[in-house]
Amino acid sequence: EDKVVQSPLSLVVHEGDTVTLNCSYEVTNFRSLLWYKQEKKAPTFLFMLTSSGIEKKSGRLSSILDKKELFSILNITATQTGDSAVYLCAVEGAQKLVFGQGTRLTINP
Amino acid sequence: SAVISQKPSRDICQRGTSLTIQCQVDSQVTMMFWYRQQPGQSLTLIATANQGSEATYESGFVIDKFPISRPNLTFSTLTVSNMSPEDSSIYLCSYSAGSDTQYFGPGTRLTVL
Repeated sequence: EDKVVQSPLSLVVHEGDTVTLNCSYEVTNFRSLLWYKQEKKAPTFLFMLTSSGIEKKSGRLSSILDKKELFSILNITATQTGDSAVYLCAVEGAQKLVFGQGTRLTINP
Repeated sequence: SAVISQKPSRDICQRGTSLTIQCQVDSQVTMMFWYRQQPGQSLTLIATANQGSEATYESGFVIDKFPISRPNLTFSTLTVSNMSPEDSSIYLCSYSAGSDTQYFGPGTRLTVL
């Protein structure tokens, strides 16, 4: 059965800190790994990763995939209170997305 | 990406009743999906809504409980039937326009009393 595991489940840091969120997976027919940010109800798309070792970057957020070790990390530098959210990792396999449990990130001022 | 909307955004329902959630995309899309997110949990795929044919349900979800319609390439509905308090969740629709990326609607927060 396809499985996505995120860690930590919860993280509280101070504004300005750098955080690293982890996602490991076991999926047959891996196609891609996606990161989403969920603040209220709707997850908003951050990144899609398909190739190992190629960093994707958007502002203070970046992500990289390791297809050999079956994991991905999401980095957020110089965190702001607006980064507080649940970050979801999902893996596409067999034409459907399998989601991890999410990491609840809280940024304190 | 296309704009995707859902309604209602929230509802409070009595047990034993049914609720239909609508999902609208402002352009034609290939695939539409319905997810459930129970309190404190991650997203679980209910079904893939196929245009012109029956939806494809995931293990643990059945058509009698969650009937789905997809009359065209921009619209889908999910009905939660004969509701119980265990159906209290956020229900999300999403679409995929050919790549693996799915874009999500704003969600419907359902509370069943």
